[in-house]
Amino acid sequence: GQNIDQPTEMTATEGAIVQINCTYQTSGFNGLFWYQQHAGEAPTFLSYNVLDGLEEKGRFSSFLSRSKGYSYLLLKELQMKDSASYLCAVRDSPALGRLYFGRGTQLTVWP
Amino acid sequence: EAGVAQSPRYKIIEKRQSVAFWCNPISGHATLYWYQQILGQGPKLLIQFQNNGVVDDSQLPKDRFSAERLKGVDSTLKIQPAKLEDSAVYLCASSPSGGSSYEQYFGPGTRLTVT
Repeated sequence: GQNIDQPTEMTATEGAIVQINCTYQTSGFNGLFWYQQHAGEAPTFLSYNVLDGLEEKGRFSSFLSRSKGYSYLLLKELQMKDSASYLCAVRDSPALGRLYFGRGTQLTVWP
Repeated sequence: EAGVAQSPRYKIIEKRQSVAFWCNPISGHATLYWYQQILGQGPKLLIQFQNNGVVDDSQLPKDRFSAERLKGVDSTLKIQPAKLEDSAVYLCASSPSGGSSYEQYFGPGTRLTVT
């Protein structure tokens, strides 16, 4: 089966930096996605990694190591609005495009 | 560009009743997904359509769940009869194609409560 693991909860203060880790064991790999989900809302796309290394997009960066089955999402200059659940998801097949999600990491940003 | 539309947004039913959810994907998106998200968990894929054909329904409980995508556009997901453990948010997502597109676009979801 597919196993995607991430911490359940994290807290941080405004202006700080937080790193959310994700480890995965899947039968196939064709990319790792991070989504943000505010309470009661739909997940929204944050980042995509298919090759090893760091992808930077404004305050958000995502890193991938395929050999270690590991990724992290780095959030800088935290704002209150960043309080949300962050979902790590793996696409196992280029042909199908389906995603396998972790349980999500609930991030709370304090003033 | 209009997003993925879903209705109803909320539904409360008693166990053993039936319920149906509707999804209208982003115009032109060939691939449509239905996910089930139980409280405190990540979304779990139930079924994937490519145009009007089923690509993957391996995790769909076929004894009670059914889905269709007539004409390759709108889709409906039905549960009959519902069980207490079906209480969840049902998310519909779409993408331009199955593999080459990076991301899936999610609708707001339908929150189902089975009592």
